[in-house]
Amino acid sequence: QVQLQESGPGLVKPSGTLSLTCAVSGGSVSSSNWWSWVRQPPGKGLEWIGEVYYSGNINYNPSLKSRVTISLDKSKNQLSLNLSSVTAADTAVYYCARLQVVTYAFDIWGQGTMVTVSS
Amino acid sequence: EIVLTQSPVTLSLSPGERATLSCRASQSVSNYLAWYQQRPGQAPRLLIYDASTRATGIPARFSGSGSGTDFTLTISSLEPEDFAVYYCQQRSNWPPVTFGGGTKVEF
Repeated sequence: QVQLQESGPGLVKPSGTLSLTCAVSGGSVSSSNWWSWVRQPPGKGLEWIGEVYYSGNINYNPSLKSRVTISLDKSKNQLSLNLSSVTAADTAVYYCARLQVVTYAFDIWGQGTMVTVSS
Repeated sequence: EIVLTQSPVTLSLSPGERATLSCRASQSVSNYLAWYQQRPGQAPRLLIYDASTRATGIPARFSGSGSGTDFTLTISSLEPEDFAVYYCQQRSNWPPVTFGGGTKVEF
C-alpha cells in the first residue's frame, strides 16, 4: 500500500528556511490525488499548509502563502516543502498526507517529522 | 475561510459509554466533512468522510451524521483504544482546507 515518509533537518535557525521532503512508496505521485503538507505545533491542533496536484496545480494556505513553496518531483516520486523566514511559531510536527479527489479527505499520512526553530 | 468549531473541547467518559462529538461550520460545507482520530505520538487516522461514510477498516461503532453546517461523530460504545483526540476537516470551500480545534475523549 501507499506509504509516506517525511525527512529533513530537525532544527532550523530563526529567519532561515525550513526544507522537507516526503518520499512516496507503494504508489505514484502522478496518480490523481492531491499531495499535502499539514503541521501541528506541540500540544495544538492541525493546520493545513498547502497542496500540489499531480498535474502541477498548487494551492497554499493564505496565512502562509508568502513564505511557502510546495513542489512535486515525479522522477524521485516525492514532494517537497520550503518555508522561509521561519520563527519559533513555525516549530511543529510536519506531516505529508494524500488527499483523495473523490473523498476530499486525507486517507494516508506520513508519520510526521518534528522541526524546531531555535538558535 | 470556513471555521470549524468542535464541542466539547474535552469529553470525560468510561469504556462502554457512548460518545457524541459535534462539529459546526461557519458556513455550509455540504457533506464534504471528514473526521480523524489522533492518538498520542501518532499521525491522524481517517475515520469518516463525506460526513457519514466510514473509511476502510474503521469499526462500525464509529458513525457520522449531518450536512450543511452541523455534524456529529458518534462512538457507540467506547473501547480503551478510542480515548484520543478527534478532529473534523472540510474541503468544501478552499483554499484553505480547515480543521476543527479538536475534541479530547478522556477516561
